Amino acid sequence: TQLLEQSPQFLSIQEGENLTVYCNSSRVFSSLQWYRQEPGEGPVLLVTVVTGGEVKKLKRLTFQFGDARKDSSLHITAAQPGDTGLYLCAGGSSNTGKLIFGQGTTLQVKP
Amino acid sequence: NAGVMQNPRHLVRRRGQEARLRCSPMKGHSHVYWYRQLPEEGLKFMVYLQKENIIDESGMPKERFSAEFPKEGPSILRIQQVVRGDSAAYFCASSQNDRAGTEAFFGQGTRLTVV
Repeated sequence: TQLLEQSPQFLSIQEGENLTVYCNSSRVFSSLQWYRQEPGEGPVLLVTVVTGGEVKKLKRLTFQFGDARKDSSLHITAAQPGDTGLYLCAGGSSNTGKLIFGQGTTLQVKP
Repeated sequence: NAGVMQNPRHLVRRRGQEARLRCSPMKGHSHVYWYRQLPEEGLKFMVYLQKENIIDESGMPKERFSAEFPKEGPSILRIQQVVRGDSAAYFCASSQNDRAGTEAFFGQGTRLTVV
């Protein structure tokens, strides 16, 4: 059973399109982190959200943490080929730095 | 300020051999986590260590796997008598503390291939 469900699992779009990736759970998390991973490399942290309803923006990327802290979304505006990669959400609990990861969303942006 | 350093990057072992994976956390970080990743999948938590202590090993297989984080030197993930199913990418992450929202930074991983 996957504690964190990401959707879609695969996404192939054209350059310039917008997209949203979802991360859902029935469990409450104290924090939610989003990572991007390229082939052969480790995950690179994009953002951490800790407050229910929080919205953070990173250039063309917008991250939102659900009010109940059970879900999150990542929206990319005007996707570029450089956005191609595996996007991972990870939930954190208080009193431990241990993270529970979703299965990831593989994004391909075609020029 | 160097990031999380893992070595080796690639490791090939024959079935039955031992694999030792090393992780040096970021400077100032005393919390280390090991994760395993199969192709096209997310990361699965294995073990959480602080200096000289195992805090949470709920994700570690019961046999053949062990981890340590000594007072001096890197954290080691050790896999004895490797089998083909152990082939995966193993990632180490470190953080400054274990409070909610603390950021974890990952190394580049060790890709273990068992032949």
